[in-house]
Amino acid sequence: QSALTQPASVSGSPGQSITISCTGTSSAVGTYNLVSWYQQHPGKAPKLMIYEVSKRPSGVSNRFSASKSGNTASLTISGLQAEDEADYYCSSYAGSGTFVFGIGTRVTVL
Amino acid sequence: EVQLLESGGGLVQPGGSLTLSCAASGFTFSTYAMSWVRQAPGKGLEWVSVISGRGGSTYYAASVKGRFTISRDNSRNTLYLQMNSLRAEDTAVYYCTKDISSGTSYTYDAFDIWGQGTMVTVSS
Repeated sequence: QSALTQPASVSGSPGQSITISCTGTSSAVGTYNLVSWYQQHPGKAPKLMIYEVSKRPSGVSNRFSASKSGNTASLTISGLQAEDEADYYCSSYAGSGTFVFGIGTRVTVL
Repeated sequence: EVQLLESGGGLVQPGGSLTLSCAASGFTFSTYAMSWVRQAPGKGLEWVSVISGRGGSTYYAASVKGRFTISRDNSRNTLYLQMNSLRAEDTAVYYCTKDISSGTSYTYDAFDIWGQGTMVTVSS
C-alpha cells in the first residue's frame, strides 16, 4: 500500500483558514470512513486530531474540522494560531487489518 | 491517566534482533487493539503492525512481514514487538499506540494514545 498523497507544505497568516488534502486510493480512503489526522510538533509524539473522517476527540479545538469526498480527505484549520505550526499526517484503514499514513504536511504560520 | 511507556530500544547490528515492550496503564488493556508505528529520522510516520484486543489477530506492513512479530500479555498489560533480521532501514523511533475503538463499531479505527517512543538504530 503506497503512502497517501499530501502537500509538502501549507502556510497561512494568523486568523486565516488553511486546508490540507490527503489523496489515496479506492481501497483505502475511498472505501472506509476510517480516515484520521494527526498533529506532530518537533520532537514530540503525534496527537490524534480527527478520527472517522470528521470526529474530534475530546479536548481538540473545534477550529479543526475535516471531511472526505471520494478518494480525497481534507483537514481544515480555521482561525490559524501560532501553536498550530506543526506537521500533520493523515491516515486511513486500508483493509485486512492494515493502515497507511500520508507523507505529511508542514504547516507554517506566517 | 492513560499512559503508554515503551522500552527496549537501542543500537543493534544489521541482521540482529531486538524486542520492544510497551507498558500500558489507565485503561482496560485487553479491550483495545494496539499498534506499533515508526518514524525514521526526519521522515514521516509508517504503520508497522496491529494486534487485536485478545491477541487472536495480527497484521503487518509488507516491509516487516516475516521479520517482526507483535504480541501482547493482557495479564501484564504489556505489548511487545519482536524484531529479527534487522536492516538499516528499520532505524526509527518506534511508537506504541492504542486504538480509539473498543470494538463495538470498528475493530481497527485510529490511534488515540501514543507513547513517547523508543529509538532503534541498526548500524555496524
